[in-house]
Amino acid sequence: GIQVEQSPPDLILQEGANSTLRCNFSDSVNNLQWFHQNPWGQLINLFYIPSGTKQNGRLSATTVATERYSLLYISSSQTTDSGVYFCAAISGGGADGLTFGKGTHLIIQP
Amino acid sequence: SAVISQKPSRDICQRGTSLTIQCQVDSQVTMMFWYRQQPGQSLTLIATANQGSEATYESGFVIDKFPISRPNLTFSTLTVSNMSPEDSSIYLCSVEEGKQFFGPGTRLTVL
Repeated sequence: GIQVEQSPPDLILQEGANSTLRCNFSDSVNNLQWFHQNPWGQLINLFYIPSGTKQNGRLSATTVATERYSLLYISSSQTTDSGVYFCAAISGGGADGLTFGKGTHLIIQP
Repeated sequence: SAVISQKPSRDICQRGTSLTIQCQVDSQVTMMFWYRQQPGQSLTLIATANQGSEATYESGFVIDKFPISRPNLTFSTLTVSNMSPEDSSIYLCSVEEGKQFFGPGTRLTVL
């Protein structure tokens, strides 16, 4: 099945800093999603982005499907951005469940 | 987007017992999924549950351990059977409406 790798595994930043999280995947995808898991365990949908670029406030994401990677940008970080960010994908010819990366644990310090 | 609820939100169980987790969606959906998140780990797909057919299990998960029901298009249950401490995890259901949406999860601790 598809492999999903995320980097970096951990990231500590000061409030106000910008960050870039990367997701590499091993096969063509028909679904790629970014999630934020808050400290209470809730998974929040950030982006559905199998290709192209999207923006939502301080967050944006870009997926270059031909090169099999996706990037999540967080600008002007706030402490509430802390948590684990997951990338998950479904391959073009695969089953319908998502394959998750191991996540990036982001800590924003005040 | 679909609104998903799960019951119970958390539970503490004794080894050897079973727990049934319920997942309710506020709209009719074809595909529902069950995932497990072990402590400090990522999410792993357990099975896909479509209404009117047997659930499809991923490698490493078997029906005897994780029986699933899908009686209609808005509801599913996952049972964790004969539990051991290694089953302590968050169990999440999700539905697909173009993209996947997740319920709040059930935090299970097995003593």
